[in-house]
Amino acid sequence: QSALTQPPSASGSPGQSVTISCTGTSSDVGGYNYVSWYQQHPGKAPKLMIYEVTKRPSGVPDRFSGSKSGDTASLTVSGLQAEDEADYYCSSYAGSNNVFGTGTKVTVL
Amino acid sequence: EVQLAESGGGLVQPGGSLRLSCAASGFSFSGHWMHWVRQAPGKGLVWVAHINPDGRTTGYADSLQGRFTISRDNAKNTVYLQMNSLRAEDTGVYYCARAGVLGGLDYWGQGTLVTVST
Repeated sequence: QSALTQPPSASGSPGQSVTISCTGTSSDVGGYNYVSWYQQHPGKAPKLMIYEVTKRPSGVPDRFSGSKSGDTASLTVSGLQAEDEADYYCSSYAGSNNVFGTGTKVTVL
Repeated sequence: EVQLAESGGGLVQPGGSLRLSCAASGFSFSGHWMHWVRQAPGKGLVWVAHINPDGRTTGYADSLQGRFTISRDNAKNTVYLQMNSLRAEDTGVYYCARAGVLGGLDYWGQGTLVTVST
């Protein structure tokens, strides 16, 4: 049950796009369409941004989108805004348990 | 309004025990899986445990090695995390979270800090 692998950091200028990868195995990301993404600002609780790979909860801007190919899921933030600067974590169902990614700090330049 | 309020955190010596509680309100508690997630200072999120709506099915992170137990009382709208044989590496903020009907952990509490130290 190892953590899913994410790049430590990603950045982009306002209005640009940034894509974060989340690599697991066939026992988690590759085996189920139950990948979620969470945004966490410093000192705050995480917020659900994407569930079931591609779906957005009500209230999440459509600038946020998710996808998956094989054992790797991705989160794309289009039209970057200052408030998108935060830590992002992926998560996947893994059979009888769950696993989070290592986290990616997104910086808006 | 959905609310989750954790309590029970604090300072505990290595080898000690602590019981965290998470009081839920604003939704039908008995209809949702519930999860505990922790975050060490300056580190990432780590999934700890989950429990199904009737409390009969639970799951744990392998790394816990059987030291933690999740349970719930649907009459009290509360989920618990009993933590035994605590170690320094268990230090962190512990969040409870609701699994949404549609998917993902859609509501989170503000967390309770557990510090394991002499």
